[in-house]
Formats: sequence, C-alpha cells, structure tokens
Amino acid sequence: EAQVTQNPRYLITVTGKKLTVTCSQNMNHEYMSWYRQDPGLGLRQIYYSMNVEVTDKGDVPEGYKVSRKEKRNFPLILESPSPNQTSLYFCASSSYRGSNQPQHFGDGTRLSIL
Amino acid sequence: RKEVEQDPGPFNVPEGATVAFNCTYSNSASQSFFWYRQDCRKEPKLLMSVYSSGNEDGRFTAQLNRASQYISLLIRDSKLSDSATYLCVVNTGGYQKVTFGTGTKLQVIP
Repeated sequence: EAQVTQNPRYLITVTGKKLTVTCSQNMNHEYMSWYRQDPGLGLRQIYYSMNVEVTDKGDVPEGYKVSRKEKRNFPLILESPSPNQTSLYFCASSSYRGSNQPQHFGDGTRLSIL
Repeated sequence: RKEVEQDPGPFNVPEGATVAFNCTYSNSASQSFFWYRQDCRKEPKLLMSVYSSGNEDGRFTAQLNRASQYISLLIRDSKLSDSATYLCVVNTGGYQKVTFGTGTKLQVIP
C-alpha cells in the first residue's frame, strides 16, 4: 500500500530535549516536505526536499533541521525544542513529474513541548 | 495581502444544498492548483486538481479564473459526509513554493 509514515504519532516532551520525527514514503517520490498546522494559521511549510541531498527552507524553518540522505526518508529534527513548536506536524511526498502532482500526507504527529 | 486566502466559514448548509467556496491567490505566476479535504485534524487528502478549463468529479466541480486569480469549488447535493474543512493549495514555481489556504469549514446539517 502506497503510504507516508510518520513516527511518533504523539509526543510530549520538555524544552531543550532534542527530538526527531521520522518520515518515510514507499512511493519512490522525489519531493518531500514538512508542514506544521496551527489554529487560524493553516498549514505552513517548514522545509522541503526536491531529491536526495537537496533541501531548502520553507516559510517557517527557524528551530528545525532536516536531512535527506535516502530518497524514502526525510526526518525532521528539533535540536532544542521550545513551547512555540507545539503543533501538529505533517510530512508529505510527491512525484516530481511536473508541477501538477498532488502531495500525499502522513497521518500527522502531535508534538507538545512543555 | 495573504498569498492564498479563503473564507474560513463555517458554512452551515442543509443536506441536498449546493455550496460554493472561493480561494484567491496573489501570485500571478502560480502554476497549479488543488483542493484538499481535511477532517477534524486528520491529514489533508486530495479532493481534486484544478485544471484551466475547469473539471468535474461527480458532485464536485472545480474552476480556475486566472484573470481574477481565484479558484472555486462547487459541491452539489451536499451529503452529511461532506462536512469537513476544504483547503485550497497553490503551487508556484514548480514545488519551490507550495502555499495552503487556511481552509473553509463546511458543516452539512440533516
């Protein structure tokens, strides 16, 4: 089954404790992206990757890191989480065969930073 | 001006009604457009792409007006199961820039 898998689904942690949210897709997609969703603000793009070893900042990259060492994986790293990073996070992927390709989303990760 | 704007609603409509949402975008270089559906903090799911000539999928019709820079979604014969938040998505410059609207909430009432 074609899917985007995020882990963990839920996490409560404390300020300053490094964490990683993993994202994996099995569709051989070139493009992957991370979003956060906050009430009233919609989905905002954090980072995206056009292919292996190619990443770029989205609209809200501060406080986040990503890597793309393999095509299927695109982890999101919070080196020193802070309460304002409490949010619902989505990973998405898409084939890059032209711009008219929709994105497939993971189930989401709810992060609470205390 | 926001890059992508939607009326947040909620739109409360009776079953069987026809409802339409608009989404305006500010960048005239935008290349591709989509409508996604999102249920109660679950992941967004593609509803339909929006093509220049307009397109239909069952009860759903999407249209693009490049001159006025908006896309629209029309839902005919609304069902209870259509209750959700509808997100418009605009791609500008390939995937270099993907912008989501904040969504329009639809509640279909029995």
